[in-house]
Amino acid sequence: DVKVTQSSRYLVKRTGEKVFLECVQDMDHENMFWYRQDPGLGLRLIYFSYDVKMKEKGDIPEGYSVSREKKERFSLILESASTNQTSMYLCASSLLGYYGYTFGSGTRLTVV
Amino acid sequence: DAKTTQPTSMDCAEGRAANLPCNHSTISGNEYVYWYRQIHSQGPQYIIHGLKNNETNEMASLIITEDRKSSTLILPHATLRDTAVYYCIVRDLNTGTASKLTFGTGTRLQVTL
Repeated sequence: DVKVTQSSRYLVKRTGEKVFLECVQDMDHENMFWYRQDPGLGLRLIYFSYDVKMKEKGDIPEGYSVSREKKERFSLILESASTNQTSMYLCASSLLGYYGYTFGSGTRLTVV
Repeated sequence: DAKTTQPTSMDCAEGRAANLPCNHSTISGNEYVYWYRQIHSQGPQYIIHGLKNNETNEMASLIITEDRKSSTLILPHATLRDTAVYYCIVRDLNTGTASKLTFGTGTRLQVTL
């Protein structure tokens, strides 16, 4: 079965901390995505990547960065966590040019 | 990308067919219709997609009108496990490398006993 694994299901961090959210896929997919989901706002795209070391900004990239050193791994970095980054973070992957995404189970991040 | 309009919420009795509508009146000729669902506390799950012909798989059927301005996702025998938010998304395949999807707020389907 195809799989997207997010390293943590729940995470609590302090304001100002640097936070790493990790995502690994085992399907050899070219595309990887990071979304955040908040009540009433739906899913919003933060960053995506279509190849190793390639990245593109999504709709809400401010306060985030990403890293893709290997094809199977896409990391989301919160340089200095703030309380407004408390959210559910969802990672997804897909084949190049294909919109059948596979999502991970999500990481619920709370910044206190 | 074409904008989609879905009802905010719907109810369906268990065992009955759930018909979820989606309007996409500005859809262009090379845009596909995709459906996803998100069960509470999980990531979204791909269901089905289509261009102009009706499609069926083990999860659902997708009926696209002849003018392609609207579509209906059909869950033939809804169960309690089908309670979820359903997203209808329209997307052009020919966008190079950036095959990104924009999710709206979807339809919250409540399946009841």
